Amino acid sequence: DIVMTQSPLSLPVSPGEPASISCRSSQSLLYSNGYNHLDWYVQKPGQPPKLLIYLGSYRASGVPDRFSGSGSGTDFTLKISRVEAEDVGIYYCMQALQTPITFGGGTKVEIK
Amino acid sequence: QVQLLQSGAEVKKPGASVKVSCRVSGNSLSGLSMHWVRQAPGKGLESLGGFDPQEDQIMYAQKFQGRVTMTEDTSTDTAYMELRSLRSDDTAVYYCTTKTYGHSVQSYWGQGTLVTVSS
Repeated sequence: DIVMTQSPLSLPVSPGEPASISCRSSQSLLYSNGYNHLDWYVQKPGQPPKLLIYLGSYRASGVPDRFSGSGSGTDFTLKISRVEAEDVGIYYCMQALQTPITFGGGTKVEIK
Repeated sequence: QVQLLQSGAEVKKPGASVKVSCRVSGNSLSGLSMHWVRQAPGKGLESLGGFDPQEDQIMYAQKFQGRVTMTEDTSTDTAYMELRSLRSDDTAVYYCTTKTYGHSVQSYWGQGTLVTVSS
């Protein structure tokens, strides 16, 4: 199974400041179709995860443009350009290249 | 719009088995790749396995090989996940999840089923 490693574990951010989360996979997520099969999710208490970014860099429907995903192969980044109070939650990267899908350990974003 | 409706909470004793269901509406189960993910209290997301369209079969996470069985009943659009030889550390919320691919990708999750393993 592909191992996903995220950092940092916790990310305190002041409102209006940028935030960045890193994710590394144990093998390349770049498929022959040219797409990286890497998704980003956010989970809030008592809810299932919500998709933010798919195929490495494509924002899911309704996701604000302050969220962006980048990277290729084994190294990926989720950036929030200006953190808002509603962005608190636990962020997970997930590889969708192979079954079983696998997740990073999560990054807790909180407001300072 | 796809909806995933899971069965209700379960309490099981160590060594028992549990079978969780996930009924699909708004789409046909046969057109989806269903996956099962769990989350222990205060912990992260852990995949148990799912349908691999490239292999055309269900693939299980190595950790759960031999202890989990996933099945699908396309006549009722219901997916099932059975976990055997339950231990206390299997206590978790179990989710079914899938995606659809159209103009953009949509991700769908069931509401979660809490499985509590306790003597």
